[in-house]
This record gives sequence, C-alpha cells and structure tokens, in this order.
Amino acid sequence: DADVTQTPRNRITKTGKRIMLECSQTKGHDRMYWYRQDPGLGLRLIYYSFDVKDINKGEISDGYSVSRQAQAKFSLSLESAIPNQTALYFCATLGGGTDTQYFGPGTRLTVL
Amino acid sequence: GQSLEQPSEVTAVEGAIVQINCTYQTSGFYGLSWYQQHDGGAPTFLSYNALDGLEETGRFSSFLSRSDSYGYLLLQELQMKDSASYFCAVLDTGRRALTFGSGTRLQVQP
Repeated sequence: DADVTQTPRNRITKTGKRIMLECSQTKGHDRMYWYRQDPGLGLRLIYYSFDVKDINKGEISDGYSVSRQAQAKFSLSLESAIPNQTALYFCATLGGGTDTQYFGPGTRLTVL
Repeated sequence: GQSLEQPSEVTAVEGAIVQINCTYQTSGFYGLSWYQQHDGGAPTFLSYNALDGLEETGRFSSFLSRSDSYGYLLLQELQMKDSASYFCAVLDTGRRALTFGSGTRLQVQP
C-alpha cells in the first residue's frame, strides 16, 4: 500500500466551485505539505503543517486553505476555484535522517 | 528566501555520463537534495548532501560545495528509463520546507 495517498486523482470542476483535495499518510510523519506543479515551473509550496495545531503559509497560499484533521490527514481546499488554479497538486510528508520528502501520486485538477 | 537555477533541458545517449548542475541562493539550509520525476508521476528522492563533497548511490552521485553555492547530480551508464525531470531542492533552516528548482528535463537517446 502507498504511504501517501491523495484523493481524487483527477478532478474537473467549474469556476466558482469549492473543491477539497484530501491527503492521508501512514508514514507517521508529523510534517505534511501541499505543493502545486505547473509545466516548467517546478513545485511551489502552498501550505505546510508541522502538527495538528501548526499550519503555515507557503509562497502561493492565496486562494487556498488547509485543514490538518489528524497527524495522518491534511486536506487542501479551493474556496472558489478559478481557471489559473488548473495544475497538478502534490501532498508530501517529510521525515528520515536525510530529510526526505515523500510525495503522494498527485491530483490533476482542471478548472473550466 | 531561496532560489535555485538548473538548466531546463539536457540530452545524452544511452551509456553516457551526464551532469546536471544546480546553483542556489539561500539564507540558510540543511542540505541539497535531488528528486526524479517521470512524466505523470510523483517526484521521488534520489540523493541528499548535508556536507560538502560527493555522495554516491549506485549509478547516481551528487556533489555539494557550500562555498560555491553549487551542486550537481551525476548520472552514469545512462539508461532509457533515466529519461525524466530532475529537480534540485534545499530544505531551509527556518521553515523546514523544500524549495525546488524549476527542473531539468533529461532525454536519453538510443
């Protein structure tokens, strides 16, 4: 079984709709992250969380919100989706002696 | 803040050696990491340099020079399956979050 899972894997929605992307992990890591990937731009940090009570904004948090429901669950919401939020979204955890980031499989979101 | 620069594309032939460079500007970081991402897939960890010098993991090696703000990933005995994007990243001392370069697309030709 995958250590970091994301649902849904693909989503097509319309402008103005509220969308939630969910992430679960079984690695037991406290640190969880949401990234966005656009072609040619690498991965950009949206939000990150060190534990249930610690939520932090990344470089591109505008238009997004997050909820850390438990150590293992970290969800990302788009309150009112817009077309330029069309992207590939990755959830990740961080742990291990080499500070390795473990990524989920990604959610491909299209906003029409 | 952090910024990392990598070449956007590199092409090499099967069996060859290729080096992907990464230069960075950072206010403080724990180490330099490298990730591989195949089209449609998630990034996966390749290598990590906490200290200056060379780290070797099979066909892949990574190097860091903090005094030069420079690192590289060296891929030897290239195989077709190595065709992918490669990202350097730093874990900054403040946020404990990775900042990624924009990635280098490696195309391995027969």
